Amino acid sequence: DGGITQSPKYLFRKEGQNVTLSCEQNLNHDAMYWYRQDPGQGLRLIYYSQIVNDFQKGDIAEGYSVSREKKESFPLTVTSAQKNPTAFYLCATGTEQTSEAFFGQGTRLTVV
Amino acid sequence: AQSVTQLGSHVSVSEGALVLLRCNYSSSVPPYLFWYVQYPNQGLQLLLKYTSAATLVKGINGFEAEFKKSETSFHLTKPSAHMSDAAEYFCAVSGPAGNKLTFGTGTQLKVEL
Repeated sequence: DGGITQSPKYLFRKEGQNVTLSCEQNLNHDAMYWYRQDPGQGLRLIYYSQIVNDFQKGDIAEGYSVSREKKESFPLTVTSAQKNPTAFYLCATGTEQTSEAFFGQGTRLTVV
Repeated sequence: AQSVTQLGSHVSVSEGALVLLRCNYSSSVPPYLFWYVQYPNQGLQLLLKYTSAATLVKGINGFEAEFKKSETSFHLTKPSAHMSDAAEYFCAVSGPAGNKLTFGTGTQLKVEL
């Protein structure tokens, strides 16, 4: 089944622990993105990657890290340095040709 | 630099009434504009997009939007609201060179009987 798979859908962690969110795609898209969504704030870009082994910081990269070792995968690590990590995280992919983003179903992270 | 402003964080309409969700953009280059819909605890789904072709864009589920350069607007409309339209709607802008999207803060649409 083609698309973007984010796992898990719900994730609970204790404060001070690092946690990694998975994003896998089989659309053969070059670009991948991580957005954070908070109520009333829309979507804010955390990191993006337009090619394997390369990525750039978005608007709110502090406290997050990523890797892009394979075209299909773009995991996001939420580190203990992120002051307010509880949020809904969305992974997206895209291509230059379509100029639109395709979204996964999201991971809701709750840090207690 | 690009930005999007969505006027009205919450909009309520009666079933069968006109839906109008407002979006104004700012862009230093000719923009690509998008409307997405999000249902609770799900990802975003593309409703429609403007990429410098026809200024009136038709999308899925009966929605359409008109690009007005003079007003820097890209408002989303639907002639007759349905209960299933209740969701959050996001306007987004990107430059034509790539698809790093900048999103508005969203408008929650409520449809009442």
